[in-house]
Amino acid sequence: AQSVTQLDSHVSVSEGTPVLLRCNYSSSYSPSLFWYVQHPNKGLQLLLKYTSAATLVKGINGFEAEFKMSETSFHLTKPSAHMSDAAEYFCVVTLSGNTGKLIFGQGTTLQVKP
Amino acid sequence: DSGVTQTPKHLITATGQRVTLRCSPRSGDLSVYWYQQSLDQGLQFLIQYYNGEERAKGNILERFSAQQFPDLHSELNLSSLELGDSALYFCASSANGVNQETQYFGPGTRLLVL
Repeated sequence: AQSVTQLDSHVSVSEGTPVLLRCNYSSSYSPSLFWYVQHPNKGLQLLLKYTSAATLVKGINGFEAEFKMSETSFHLTKPSAHMSDAAEYFCVVTLSGNTGKLIFGQGTTLQVKP
Repeated sequence: DSGVTQTPKHLITATGQRVTLRCSPRSGDLSVYWYQQSLDQGLQFLIQYYNGEERAKGNILERFSAQQFPDLHSELNLSSLELGDSALYFCASSANGVNQETQYFGPGTRLLVL
């Protein structure tokens, strides 16, 4: 069965320093993987997605993620954190086939300190 | 703004009652999804519709039901409400309801059962 594990429930960085949010996935086939962000009292917004094309995926707001099949990982990175990046981040995997059902990780809260 | 609208934004009701949450997908999207976000369960997929037909079902309780109408808007009906049903309910839409598509999320309906 498909699942994702976000390895950190809370990450704290200083503004201007790199961000690393870790995600491992479990899938019996080549998965589609997403990162979504949820700002306080807002809906979810897609940051980026991997769908079996390039393994290094660039997203919005300077975020990127690398799909590593050998490590079953899809970690999210950003070279320099901004205060506006403070939010909750979800790593997501989908099932195969003709359904768009999303399976969410537990989320990582990113705190950015001035 | 994702283009997905949800009403109402907030709902306060009592145990045993029934409520209806409404979702209008982005223009042109044929598939609608419902998700529940709670502190203890995280974000969970409830159900997916495509062009009026149910396509996938997740952890949706028997007390909950949904439908998608010919104009493609969707309603999620929650009945015999319990305290544990208090959560944020998200609707999302995508073009064709398949696994590699981006889903666009509405702002959510926050349900409080007292």
